[in-house]
Amino acid sequence: GQQLNQSPQSMFIQEGEDVSMNCTSSSIFNTWLWYKQDPGEGPVLLIALYKAGELTSNGRLTAQFGITRKDSFLNISASIPSDVGIYFCAGQKETSGSRLTFGEGTQLTVNP
Amino acid sequence: DGGITQSPKYLFRKEGQNVTLSCEQNLNHDAMYWYRQDPGQGLRLIYYSQIVNDFQKGDIAEGYSVSREKKESFPLTVTSAQKNPTAFYLCASSLWTSTETQYFGPGTRLLVL
Repeated sequence: GQQLNQSPQSMFIQEGEDVSMNCTSSSIFNTWLWYKQDPGEGPVLLIALYKAGELTSNGRLTAQFGITRKDSFLNISASIPSDVGIYFCAGQKETSGSRLTFGEGTQLTVNP
Repeated sequence: DGGITQSPKYLFRKEGQNVTLSCEQNLNHDAMYWYRQDPGQGLRLIYYSQIVNDFQKGDIAEGYSVSREKKESFPLTVTSAQKNPTAFYLCASSLWTSTETQYFGPGTRLLVL
């Protein structure tokens, strides 16, 4: 079953605002990932995190691998209309082989 | 261009019929995956394959079947045993050495009439 709790479920913000979302689990993951999905399309990988405490940026996006290895955070700075979409966190356990576990997603709406 | 293709984009099926969804990749990836996405839910793993002629069940394999006869192709059959097949189906692939980095296709939306 689902093991990742992602919040918030949805966000409505004004263009230019910063956004934060997070993902938590009761289990330890050795890799955390953040994907973005545009309507009617497949998810696209934004950021991959491999070490506890790691902080990685991709343009206006910054993600962190929690030090407990049970959570991860994604921040988007100075949002723009094309940031609209669903953001998913995903984790991979050392014991799960190639399998990923996905969060339920955060639906982001940006008002111009 | 390299990538993953899924066809068709939309698929309609009558209740009780089997239907096969296509997934092809030319990325030379070893591993391929099928996910199901329902509104308000994350992606759930149906089946995955790490090498040709081998595949494993995911979390929700009941009512589905797959084959992996070629490295490039991983078709998914939604059988009549799947009680609630209407969903968005996503195929993905990855290198065996980097399974956390999965590349997704554009998806197939299946609607049962």
